[in-house]
Amino acid sequence: GAGVSQSPSNKVTEKGKDVELRCDPISGHTALYWYRQSLGQGLEFLIYFQGNSAPDKSGLPSDRFSAERTGGSVSTLTIQRTQQEDSAVYLCASSLPISGVRGYTFGSGTRLTVV
Amino acid sequence: DQQVKQNSPSLSVQEGRISILNCDYTNSMFDYFLWYKKYPAEGPTFLISISSIKDKNEDGRFTVFLNKSAKHLSLHIVPSQPGDSAVYFCAASPNRDDKIIFGKGTRLHILP
Repeated sequence: GAGVSQSPSNKVTEKGKDVELRCDPISGHTALYWYRQSLGQGLEFLIYFQGNSAPDKSGLPSDRFSAERTGGSVSTLTIQRTQQEDSAVYLCASSLPISGVRGYTFGSGTRLTVV
Repeated sequence: DQQVKQNSPSLSVQEGRISILNCDYTNSMFDYFLWYKKYPAEGPTFLISISSIKDKNEDGRFTVFLNKSAKHLSLHIVPSQPGDSAVYFCAASPNRDDKIIFGKGTRLHILP
């Protein structure tokens, strides 16, 4: 597609349930990043993929969070047993390696609300 | 521990005047600095960047200044326009290919 697509755009879930957030990067972009923005906070790095492998998972807040990427394209961020503090906007970005950090293109995000 | 700090949550500037957004960082390993702009319900978009070998980079109405000794950078927008009203994120990276570390953002209001 023309841009980075994230779905759903909004998700309300009950505490304790699992959720899956999807990111469809720009075609041909081999690097993919997940960030989240909690209320009043900056963008917090979660995980980075280069192709299907994740060389940097350092930002995942707990073992309830996991992510995978298949076929070097779509990525899914899974949050198990959601807690209220997981409420945030989850943003995905992709880039071409040659573009480096200047080439990040962000999606519009998934707003997750845990009630 | 915040590595990139934007100490002003919001800023109001008259249309036509200069907007100055400030940012401080703590990690001396940062080598590349960026500014992103974000409108509500949209993802951040890249605005301008500067590498540590420079102290100024200009692109149209936008200029970024870097003071490495003070670990400080600023974004100047002149003249400010109504469409500049948005949240501006300062960001940094150890190199051009690494992950970006973002600040908390400054909400800029351009007043008519």
